[in-house]
Amino acid sequence: GAGVSQSPSNKVTEKGKDVELRCDPISGHTALYWYRQSLGQGLEFLIYFQGNSAPDKSGLPSDRFSAERTGGSVSTLTIQRTQQEDSAVYLCASSYPRGQAEKLFFGSGTQLSVL
Amino acid sequence: DQQVKQNSPSLSVQEGRISILNCDYTNSMFDYFLWYKKYPAEGPTFLISISSIKDKNEDGRFTVFLNKSAKHLSLHIVPSQPGDSAVYFCAAYFGNEKLTFGTGTRLTIIP
Repeated sequence: GAGVSQSPSNKVTEKGKDVELRCDPISGHTALYWYRQSLGQGLEFLIYFQGNSAPDKSGLPSDRFSAERTGGSVSTLTIQRTQQEDSAVYLCASSYPRGQAEKLFFGSGTQLSVL
Repeated sequence: DQQVKQNSPSLSVQEGRISILNCDYTNSMFDYFLWYKKYPAEGPTFLISISSIKDKNEDGRFTVFLNKSAKHLSLHIVPSQPGDSAVYFCAAYFGNEKLTFGTGTRLTIIP
């Protein structure tokens, strides 16, 4: 595809359930980020994959959150035992290897609502 | 620790006037700075960037100024147009470290 694709676009789940959010980055992009934006808040960094390097997981808020990137392409963000405070828009972004500018291309996000 | 700060959560500007959005940072290692624009229900899109070796970069109606000694950058939009109404995020990074975003400023252009 031409852009970063995220699925589902909306997800409503019950507290305590597990959810998986998917991100298809732009082909050839080696860097992939997950961010989330809670209502009225800024972009909160979650995790960063860069090529074959070990991911930077420093932003994951708890051990209920995990992410994988298979084959250097598709990424899945998994939230186990969801809580109401996990409700947010989860944004994925990808970019080419660092050159003179880090121009992230974002997907439209997954709106997660935990009831 | 918020390394990139946007202290104004919102800003309203008359159409045709200049919009000035501000951003401060604390990490002196940052050597590249970017501005992103976000409309509701969409992901942020890249707007303009500046390297730490420069103090100004211009692209059409958008100009970014960098003051390294003050650890401050600003985005100027002249003239402001209704389509500029959006949330603007500044961001920074160095080396291969992750991109760090500010909390955003909601700009409203008043017709």
